[in-house]
Amino acid sequence: QKEVEQDPGPLSVPEGAIVSLNCTYSNSAFQYFMWYRQYSRKGPELLMYTYSSGNKEDGRFTAQVDKSSKYISLFIRDSQPSDSATYLCAMSAMTGGFKTIFGAGTRLFVKA
Amino acid sequence: NAGVTQTPKFRVLKTGQSMTLLCAQDMNHEYMYWYRQDPGMGLRLIHYSVGEGTTAKGEVPDGYNVSRLKKQNFLLGLESAAPSQTSVYFCASRGTGFGTQYFGPGTRLLVL
Repeated sequence: QKEVEQDPGPLSVPEGAIVSLNCTYSNSAFQYFMWYRQYSRKGPELLMYTYSSGNKEDGRFTAQVDKSSKYISLFIRDSQPSDSATYLCAMSAMTGGFKTIFGAGTRLFVKA
Repeated sequence: NAGVTQTPKFRVLKTGQSMTLLCAQDMNHEYMYWYRQDPGMGLRLIHYSVGEGTTAKGEVPDGYNVSRLKKQNFLLGLESAAPSQTSVYFCASRGTGFGTQYFGPGTRLLVL
């Protein structure tokens, strides 16, 4: 069993839709939960991160962490064609030098 | 401020050939990482370094070697390339404590 599971998609939605991206994990030591966005033929870039449980909002993006269920989500409101990318969840624990484990990534297509 | 740069951007090798991938960062980061990204597998850690002169194995280290002689550079070597090493290679760096990993643009390697 992988430490982090993420549905690879692809996920195709019309412009303006609400997008929900999710990951599950098995290691209860994870405390930092991140979402990276990767455009085609580019390196990943950090979109947002959350420490421990709870929600975090940044513009059209909301990250949620439910540690009791070992489940994290990223919501994108009013999705735009420019949001078309691969979204990778990632997690770190304070032990082990904050080694980061990445999900496989979900490809998202937002159609105009 | 260039961030993280990788050289070369693309390379084709024949089985058994050797090569070195260069990663350079200008952010004075302590930690540097080499990942490979394959379809459906996400980012997998090959080797990493927690400071100048140090290296450590990641999840998939076999067939690769690394060196960190200078703080700003992290080299990934393939001594005898195999078709299974066809992949996109990403370098990343971050500062001490929890922090964003900054990724380079990637090197596409094809081994025939």
